[in-house]
Amino acid sequence: AQKVTQAQTEISVVEKEDVTLDCVYETRDTTYYLFWYKQPPSGELVFLIRRNSFDEQNEISGRYSWNFQKSTSSFNFTITASQVVDSAVYFCALSEPSNSGYALNFGKGTSLLVTP
Amino acid sequence: DSGVTQTPKHLITATGQRVTLRCSPRSGDLSVYWYQQSLDQGLQFLIHYYNGEERAKGNILERFSAQQFPDLHSELNLSSLELGDSALYFCASSALQHRPETQYFGPGTRLLVL
Repeated sequence: AQKVTQAQTEISVVEKEDVTLDCVYETRDTTYYLFWYKQPPSGELVFLIRRNSFDEQNEISGRYSWNFQKSTSSFNFTITASQVVDSAVYFCALSEPSNSGYALNFGKGTSLLVTP
Repeated sequence: DSGVTQTPKHLITATGQRVTLRCSPRSGDLSVYWYQQSLDQGLQFLIHYYNGEERAKGNILERFSAQQFPDLHSELNLSSLELGDSALYFCASSALQHRPETQYFGPGTRLLVL
């Protein structure tokens, strides 16, 4: 069963629009960790953020912000005033102690296209 | 630049062959994870090594094996290759084993099996 669900396969926005990428996860562990990674067209995986299950404080980093809600098992990612350079595939991932020693369990990814 | 290096960047080979992918973790990191990214399966965890010892296995085929050497670099060996093994193979490194430190990924090795 898919533990991390990114329901949006592809999103297309025009530059300067705000966009939210959804991530819903499933776990039985009380302690777990959530991540977002970016994969630009060049192919590498770039770490964006890590969030612990016991810390529900939302985080903002420049144009990026993350909304973690344990009640709905969601960890959504918002890009404000999107730019062409934000075009990439974004992956949400779950890390649990019960799963292979904290190996990352990735969602299928959301492909974001930002057009001028 | 994550500090994780992988060689080669690209690899083209034929079915039935064997290849070795190499990964050097970030300086000081003891954990190495291997992942496979394919169009149909997405990003999947293969295997985890910590300080030279295998710690966890994921969806790794029996034809695949890995090891981590005393200098902490790791190699992923793929044998009896099939067309379906064509994928992007990533390694990632992190500092510790017993906590989910952030995993930093290498640039990947793109394998094409013809």
